[in-house]
Amino acid sequence: DTGVSQDPRHKITKRGQNVTFRCDPISEHNRLYWYRQTLGQGPEFLTYFQNEAQLEKSRLLSDRFSAERPKGSFSTLEIQRTEQGDSAMYLCASSTDQETQYFGPGTRLLVL
Amino acid sequence: AQSVSQHNHHVILSEAASLELGCNYSYGGTVNLFWYVQYPGQHLQLLLKYFSGDPLVKGIKGFEAEFIKSKFSFNLRKPSVQWSDTAEYFCAVPGALVGGSQGNLIFGKGTKLSVKP
Repeated sequence: DTGVSQDPRHKITKRGQNVTFRCDPISEHNRLYWYRQTLGQGPEFLTYFQNEAQLEKSRLLSDRFSAERPKGSFSTLEIQRTEQGDSAMYLCASSTDQETQYFGPGTRLLVL
Repeated sequence: AQSVSQHNHHVILSEAASLELGCNYSYGGTVNLFWYVQYPGQHLQLLLKYFSGDPLVKGIKGFEAEFIKSKFSFNLRKPSVQWSDTAEYFCAVPGALVGGSQGNLIFGKGTKLSVKP
């Protein structure tokens, strides 16, 4: 399968803990996006990379959130000091320039 | 700011019924427009897209959508739905243009379609 992959698929954590998610995009895609989706809502944009450069960040991305794409390939999204409001599905997508975004299966986070 | 409205939260149809899901966006210029689908237990998949040209766009599985610039609409249609079309459908537009190309997507809240066999 050469689609976008995400790891882990599910994560349960206690409030205050740090969590890190990984996204592996489609190999030839230079753009990588992170979104968050809560129940009854469409995906909401968090941040996006072109190669290793982080080009856009949503105001939803508080200072507890950080994303990296160090070599322009895979990306990580870290949430520090998790809160119950962080519970959501975290989606990763990738694309080439000016092309369709392809989504991964998501990481479902539950903060207790 | 760009926004997307989907009119129906939950639509219930019988098999063979015709489908039309509404989508309106706020930006007045030329935009790229997308419909994504999420089948139960699966990830978001592209159903169809409009970039330019013929405003009637055909996608996978018999779906089509029509871009009507004067109405800021991009409604999704299918003449005869099947039980396997049960899914959640999301309309999306680019939220910002970075260097002339698309950045993030703005999604509507989605419409859940339930097709009764």
